[in-house]
Amino acid sequence: NAGVTQTPKFQVLKTGQSMTLQCAQDMNHNSMYWYRQDPGMGLRLIYYSASEGTTDKGEVPNGYNVSRLNKREFSLRLESAAPSQTSVYFCASRSAALSGNTIYFGEGSWLTVV
Amino acid sequence: AQSVTQPDIHITVSEGASLELRCNYSYGATPYLFWYVQSPGQGLQLLLKYFSGDTLVQGIKGFEAEFKRSQSSFNLRKPSVHWSDAAEYFCAVGAMYSSASKIIFGSGTRLSIRP
Repeated sequence: NAGVTQTPKFQVLKTGQSMTLQCAQDMNHNSMYWYRQDPGMGLRLIYYSASEGTTDKGEVPNGYNVSRLNKREFSLRLESAAPSQTSVYFCASRSAALSGNTIYFGEGSWLTVV
Repeated sequence: AQSVTQPDIHITVSEGASLELRCNYSYGATPYLFWYVQSPGQGLQLLLKYFSGDTLVQGIKGFEAEFKRSQSSFNLRKPSVHWSDAAEYFCAVGAMYSSASKIIFGSGTRLSIRP
């Protein structure tokens, strides 16, 4: 039972470098989300995708781009990494069913920008 | 605007004591509410959720939460805490009738257990 899979789990970047966080879910969910978690800030929504082909900004989208490649995959790109983007990133997905509409999270990606 | 407030940043309770973690939300439509728990260095585990029906919902690990529409609250409770309950707890809100909605989380409450 893979659920939501994120890669990489750990990454260190230099300021100005770019990278892409990959996320895939095998539950046939329509909606997918990217969050960042910082101490004392909880989880803040970066971008979300209600369905294949659509993406929308969340609470903190600046400095990020996303791609909903297909129904399974939702990637998060940092074009020019900054130290302020040091965080733990969580991908999540959610089904379209009205009942049992639970969000499932990946295990997280620890990103450090130096 | 959609928002979630967890007013308590850190709570310490004695093992065996009762617990209540507060959550207030602001949402224009019928809300879909969750509580998640996160142990240090771990991912998020769903404790319980409310989307319709009985306003008192039971979750895993002996937790329950009550939805009070008039107070815009969804407080988490446990009658007797165990040392293993020490973790961070997050409340979240989304739209009940649309999986296309944003899911917004509160800033979390860190729970410590006093032996």
